[in-house]
Amino acid sequence: AQSVTQLGSHVSVSEGALVLLRCNYSSSVPPYLFWYVQYPNQGLQLLLKYTSAATLVKGINGFEAEFKKSETSFHLTKPSAHMSDAAEYFCAVSFGGGAQKLVFGQGTRLTINP
Amino acid sequence: GAGVSQSPSNKVTEKGKDVELRCDPISGHTALYWYRQSLGQGLEFLIYFQGNSAPDKSGLPSDRFSAERTGGSVSTLTIQRTQQEDSAVYLCASSLYRGAAERNEQFFGPGTRLTVL
Repeated sequence: AQSVTQLGSHVSVSEGALVLLRCNYSSSVPPYLFWYVQYPNQGLQLLLKYTSAATLVKGINGFEAEFKKSETSFHLTKPSAHMSDAAEYFCAVSFGGGAQKLVFGQGTRLTINP
Repeated sequence: GAGVSQSPSNKVTEKGKDVELRCDPISGHTALYWYRQSLGQGLEFLIYFQGNSAPDKSGLPSDRFSAERTGGSVSTLTIQRTQQEDSAVYLCASSLYRGAAERNEQFFGPGTRLTVL
């Protein structure tokens, strides 16, 4: 069965430090991969998406992610964390065929320490 | 409107009552999705509408849950005989469907927080 795993339900970094949020997927068909961010009491906002073009994807707010087929991973990074990055981040996958539904990871709550 | 809207933003109901949750998608978006976000289960897909095709209901947890989409726009998610385990945030999303080979961005609404007492 296709699935998504986010390693670490909570990640804490200092302001200015590297942010690394991990996402691994399991799929027998080529996946489409997404990262969403959710601020408190708000809906989900798309950060970036991979749809089989470039393996390194740049998104909004300075985030980027690299698709590594050999590792079945799509980790999210940002070189320098800002206080405003504190939120919950979700990795999601959509699989081949007509189905457009997203399968989400469990989420990672990012805390930024001043 | 500029984005996906959902109403009500909060709903408190008693166990056994029926509730209706509404979603207004972005104008022109042909695909509409319902998801549920709860502490124990994370974000789960419920149902997906695309144009005039039969909806994908594979994520509905029980026959107490149903949804309809009228006129290809507004959607209503109905939960009958609510149970405490139905307490969650119900999120609606819409996208501009460009074909099965495309994976288009889903734009999410702010959600409806349902509390079943």
